[in-house]
Amino acid sequence: QVQLQESGPGLVKPSETLSLTCAVSGDSIISDNRWSWVRQPPGKGLEWIGEAFHRGDTKYNPSLKSRVTVSVDKSKNHFSLEVRSVTAADTAVYYCTRQGGWYSDFWGQGFLVTVSS
Amino acid sequence: QSALTQPASVSGSPGQSITISCTGTSSDVGSSNHVSWYQQHPGKAPKLMIFEVSDRPSGVSNRFSGSKSGNTASLTISGLQAEDEADYYCRSYAASRSYVFGSGTTVTVL
Repeated sequence: QVQLQESGPGLVKPSETLSLTCAVSGDSIISDNRWSWVRQPPGKGLEWIGEAFHRGDTKYNPSLKSRVTVSVDKSKNHFSLEVRSVTAADTAVYYCTRQGGWYSDFWGQGFLVTVSS
Repeated sequence: QSALTQPASVSGSPGQSITISCTGTSSDVGSSNHVSWYQQHPGKAPKLMIFEVSDRPSGVSNRFSGSKSGNTASLTISGLQAEDEADYYCRSYAASRSYVFGSGTTVTVL
C-alpha cells in the first residue's frame, strides 16, 4: 500500500521560506507517477500547488508559480516543496499526493504550517 | 485561475439521490476529461472518489457516479447514507497546464 508522510517546520516567520518533505513508501519516486502538493487554509477549500516528475518536468499553479518549487529526491525516495516569501495567507494544512494519472490517488495525512512572527 | 463553482451545500434524506454540480469554463472542465472528485471528512485527508469524469477507483461504492456535459461536471450519490456526510471537491486539468479545484460542497444527510 502506498503511504505518504509530510514533515517539516510547523511554524515559519513571514518573508521566510516554507520547506516541507514528503516521504514515500510502497512506491518508487522514479515510477511513472507524478508527485504533487495541495494545501487547505483553515476552514477553506483545497488549492493545487504544483507537481514534479522524476525526470525533471514540473507544473505549477499560475498564481503561486513565482514563489514555489517542487522537486524530487531519487536517493531518498521523497519529494519536497518550497514556498518563498511567505505571508499569513500561506498558513494552511499542506498535503502531499501521488498523481496516479490525472488525479491524486494517494494522500498524506496533512501537515499544518502556520506563518507567524 | 478561478475555482470551479460548486453549490455550498446539498442535503438529502437517507436513501435518496443527490447531485453535486461543478461548473467551469471551456479552458478547464469543458475541454478536459481529467475531472476527478474527492470526499473529505472533517480533520481528514481528501479521498479520491471519481477520476477521468466517471471512473471509480477500486473500493469506492458504486453508489457514487460521475458525468460531464459541456462546462459542467456532476457527482451523483445514490442511496444516500449517513457516512456520505462530508465535503466534496471536484478538480479539473486546465489549459494552463495546471489543476483547479472546485469551491467545495458540504453534503448533509438529514
